[in-house]
Amino acid sequence: KQEVTQIPAALSVPEGENLVLNCSFTDSAIYNLQWFRQDPGKGLTSLLLIQSSQREQTSGRLNASLDKSSGRSTLYIAASQPGDSATYLCAAVASGGSYIPTFGRGTSLIVHP
Amino acid sequence: DTEVTQTPKHLVMGMTNKKSLKCEQHMGHRAMYWYKQKAKKPPELMFVYSYEKLSINESVPSRFSPECPNSSLLNLHLHALQPEDSALYLCASSQVGGGRKTEAFFGQGTRLTVV
Repeated sequence: KQEVTQIPAALSVPEGENLVLNCSFTDSAIYNLQWFRQDPGKGLTSLLLIQSSQREQTSGRLNASLDKSSGRSTLYIAASQPGDSATYLCAAVASGGSYIPTFGRGTSLIVHP
Repeated sequence: DTEVTQTPKHLVMGMTNKKSLKCEQHMGHRAMYWYKQKAKKPPELMFVYSYEKLSINESVPSRFSPECPNSSLLNLHLHALQPEDSALYLCASSQVGGGRKTEAFFGQGTRLTVV
């Protein structure tokens, strides 16, 4: 059964710092890996999706990398802003027929001015 | 349009009530999901519909009854819930596997409180 772990669980940084959020998964036979943002009490907003054949994806100040063989993905946030404060979740989508996203517990990020 | 719409946004119900949560998408996705999320926890999968047929039920109690009347709609019927069922209920949709991408899109959720 796929297990997804996110480190750190919480992060508090001053504005302007470059951040690295880590996600690891136990079963490397994934179809893709997706990063989400969740604001308190709200739904999930898709940030980036990396297909299993890709190594990274970029959107604005966000860059996500994928190393399938080691079971790791990293979300890099450049020049963090207070508006980036949220919980960041990664989800690994297993291949083999089910295509169900399995979520990590998330990293709770606070960026203070 | 990459939107998944859930109604209502908030719901308060008594333990003897019957209510329904609704979810709608118009992206042509043929897989739809219900997740339950408690505070400070990741979403937990409840049900998956693939081509309007229930494909996965994660041993969810029968007081939760899903329904997929057509390819754009997903309902979750609620009856005789318990206070511990209070949570954020999230709907998601995606393409069925086999395409180049199987990106999941989530709605904003229904905040359910059982009193």
